[in-house]
Amino acid sequence: ELKVEQNPLFLSMQEGKNYTIYCNYSTTSDRLYWYRQDPGKSLESLFVLLSNGAVKQEGRLMASLDTKARLSTLHITAAVHDLSATYFCAVHPITQGGSEKLVFGKGTKLTVNP
Amino acid sequence: ETGVTQSPTHLIKTRGQQVTLRCSSQSGHNTVSWYQQALGQGPQFIFQYYREEENGRGNFPPRFSGLQFPNYSSELNVNALELDDSALYLCASSLGQGLDIQYFGAGTRLSVL
Repeated sequence: ELKVEQNPLFLSMQEGKNYTIYCNYSTTSDRLYWYRQDPGKSLESLFVLLSNGAVKQEGRLMASLDTKARLSTLHITAAVHDLSATYFCAVHPITQGGSEKLVFGKGTKLTVNP
Repeated sequence: ETGVTQSPTHLIKTRGQQVTLRCSSQSGHNTVSWYQQALGQGPQFIFQYYREEENGRGNFPPRFSGLQFPNYSSELNVNALELDDSALYLCASSLGQGLDIQYFGAGTRLSVL
């Protein structure tokens, strides 16, 4: 069974600092997603990573994928308070049947302090 | 806004009751997935519907069932509610063509007392 592990689960940062969230997964996957969730809200899609070495950037967030290591990272540059949220990685396992099932990590709750 | 709408937003039920949650998918999307998100956890896949047929199921008992209608909207039904069913239920729609993004609704918060 596919397992997705994120770390850290809780992250408190100062504004202006950099940090990285890690997402490890246990079996073969053909794509990985990063989502953001604000308290009481739904999940907002941030990135889709489809191939080994894929890198995507949007504003202060950059995501990368290493399929050989089964590892994705979400790097935060010069954090600002607006980035405070919970970040989830989600992995699509390669299985028979073609379901679009996603397996989520437990999430990383990020708090950016002034 | 993702264009995926769920109703109701909040629901309180008692143990043993039955509940129906509804989801309208984004225009043009023929695939709907349902997830359960317990407090402090990531969403867990319940099942998926593609063009009105179930297309994959997670580790949930048969008392969790669903439907997809010709307009691709969907329902999640849960029978014989248990306390552990208290969670946020999320619906996501997608194009169903593989490699695409699932767009999530705001969810239904279910409390079972």
